Amino acid sequence: AQKVTQAQTEISVVEKEDVTLDCVYETRDTTYYLFWYKQPPSGELVFLIRRNSFDEQNEISGRYSWNFQKSTSSFNFTITASQVVDSAVYFCALREPSGTYKYIFGTGTRLKVLA
Amino acid sequence: SAVISQKPSRDICQRGTSLTIQCQVDSQVTMMFWYRQQPGQSLTLIATANQGSEATYESGFVIDKFPISRPNLTFSTLTVSNMSPEDSSIYLCSVIPDSRETQYFGPGTRLLVL
Repeated sequence: AQKVTQAQTEISVVEKEDVTLDCVYETRDTTYYLFWYKQPPSGELVFLIRRNSFDEQNEISGRYSWNFQKSTSSFNFTITASQVVDSAVYFCALREPSGTYKYIFGTGTRLKVLA
Repeated sequence: SAVISQKPSRDICQRGTSLTIQCQVDSQVTMMFWYRQQPGQSLTLIATANQGSEATYESGFVIDKFPISRPNLTFSTLTVSNMSPEDSSIYLCSVIPDSRETQYFGPGTRLLVL
């Protein structure tokens, strides 16, 4: 069965610290997509990244980087030099192309960046 | 991506009443969804809004409680009927633009039921 686990419920860091948000997934499919979304206090879900299962290259976008490891079924998200504006709830999600278009969301990690 | 708007952005309602939430997309999309996010929780899919036919509901959600309309490929409404305090949540619509794999979300409607 498909499942996404975000074991970290809440993380607090001081501004400028690096922080890694963990995401572990379970799927029976060999083809799938993984996503990260950010939900700031305003409530809107903001799309951050999509990763295909056949592309294991890690990605960097500014202060954000993502480490995809199929061997450990993990898709971790690192924020370098965190800022107060990074404070939000971050969701990891899984979608299997076969069948429906359903996304399986993790329970989210609340990140608090303290000034 | 897609630009999605929702109305209202927030509302406070009395129990027993109904609220209709509107979702408007700036382009035609086939796949449109409605989610509920209860306080402090993750997202739960309510239903897939199908254009020209009845919505497809997930387990635990029924049409009588959450009727959905999808008159065209850019617009949908979700009604929360006979509300109770347990319906207090953020309701989000989302779309997967055609030929894309990424789901985009509207800004959400914050509902508080007293």
